[in-house]
Amino acid sequence: SQELEQSPQSLIVQEGKNLTINCTSSKTLYGLYWYKQKYGEGLIFLMMLQKGGEEKSHEKITAKLDEKKQQSSLHITASQPSHAGIYLCGADMGTGANNLFFGTGTRLTVIP
Amino acid sequence: DTAVSQTPKYLVTQMGNDKSIKCEQNLGHDTMYWYKQDSKKFLKIMFSYNNKELIINETVPNRFSPKSPDKAHLNLHINSLELGDSAVYFCASSPHFGTGGSEAFFGQGTRLTVV
Repeated sequence: SQELEQSPQSLIVQEGKNLTINCTSSKTLYGLYWYKQKYGEGLIFLMMLQKGGEEKSHEKITAKLDEKKQQSSLHITASQPSHAGIYLCGADMGTGANNLFFGTGTRLTVIP
Repeated sequence: DTAVSQTPKYLVTQMGNDKSIKCEQNLGHDTMYWYKQDSKKFLKIMFSYNNKELIINETVPNRFSPKSPDKAHLNLHINSLELGDSAVYFCASSPHFGTGGSEAFFGQGTRLTVV
């Protein structure tokens, strides 16, 4: 069974539009991480959230973790072609060793 | 300088062969990991390792074995390769060992194709 559910699986938006990607767990998370993967490349760390209700921003990307620490959203404002890629949420489920369990990913395409 | 580096980037080999993928981190981190990303882009933990403890995902076949000559290296050795082993393998490292949260730094991945 999937530890983390991400939605949507794919997203196509026009440049300049806002978008949101969601990541949901049935269990309380010890930490939630957002990564971006460009096609054929490695994972780039975006943000880490640990506290319930926490919100972080970097440039035009904002990530939030809900109070129960079971759901996170990634919001991109005024999307650009450079935002295109696969967004992955990873969660520390408290199994030890800081192992991250990843969601299925969201493939974002931004049309110029 | 690359923080986490993997070699090779691409690996094509025949079924039944034994191969290794190397990983090195120059961040001074205590813990290293191997992840497998399948064709559907699902990324799954295989191993986490520091100098004291190896945690193995029980779903990983014992044909896969991590080998760590020192703290900065964690190589992945695969015996008797099968077609289903074809995937992208990512190495990662993080400062800490144990639940509590710290950013994991990933390598660029090694695309393994078994023919």
